Amino acid sequence: AQSVSQHNHHVILSEAASLELGCNYSYGGTVNLFWYVQYPGQHLQLLLKYFSGDPLVKGIKGFEAEFIKSKFSFNLRKPSVQWSDTAEYFCAVNAGYNQGGKLIFGQGTELSVKP
Amino acid sequence: DVKVTQSSRYLVKRTGEKVFLECVQDMDHENMFWYRQDPGLGLRLIYFSYDVKMKEKGDIPEGYSVSREKKERFSLILESASTNQTSMYLCASSSLKLMNTEAFFGQGTRLTVV
Repeated sequence: AQSVSQHNHHVILSEAASLELGCNYSYGGTVNLFWYVQYPGQHLQLLLKYFSGDPLVKGIKGFEAEFIKSKFSFNLRKPSVQWSDTAEYFCAVNAGYNQGGKLIFGQGTELSVKP
Repeated sequence: DVKVTQSSRYLVKRTGEKVFLECVQDMDHENMFWYRQDPGLGLRLIYFSYDVKMKEKGDIPEGYSVSREKKERFSLILESASTNQTSMYLCASSSLKLMNTEAFFGQGTRLTVV
């Protein structure tokens, strides 16, 4: 069965620090990968997605993620975080058409950015 | 814009009650999902549906059932609510035909079972 693992449960950074959030998945076939963000009191929003092509994908608000197939990883990065990036971040995997589009999420990483 | 609407933002129910959570999407999406979100556990898939009257169990289906009689509507049913079902419930939809699109989420229903 598919599963998604996010290594960090809570990350605390100061503004301007660099960010990397880990995500690993277990599924041997073709996958689609996503990072979602949930700001306090708001619904989940898409940050970025990977379907095919360039394994380095860029999303909104300066975020990017790199798909490394050999490591089953899709880590999220941002060179310089801002206080407004304080939120919970979720990695998700969709195993594609054969699974009926089933979408599985990781446990989430809470990011706190100190001004 | 895609809109996924959940019928209630907050619900308080008593133990043993039958509870219905409704979700409607307006983008003709084939896939619809129900998740529950708990601190430290992320989003856990309860059920999903890829077509009318079709449903598949997710990772935590026990104590829940679903209904999809129309394409735009996906209902989550708690047959006999229990306190351990107190949680935030999220509905989502996505296109099955257009595989390069993401899932869109509703605002969530915070259910408290007392």
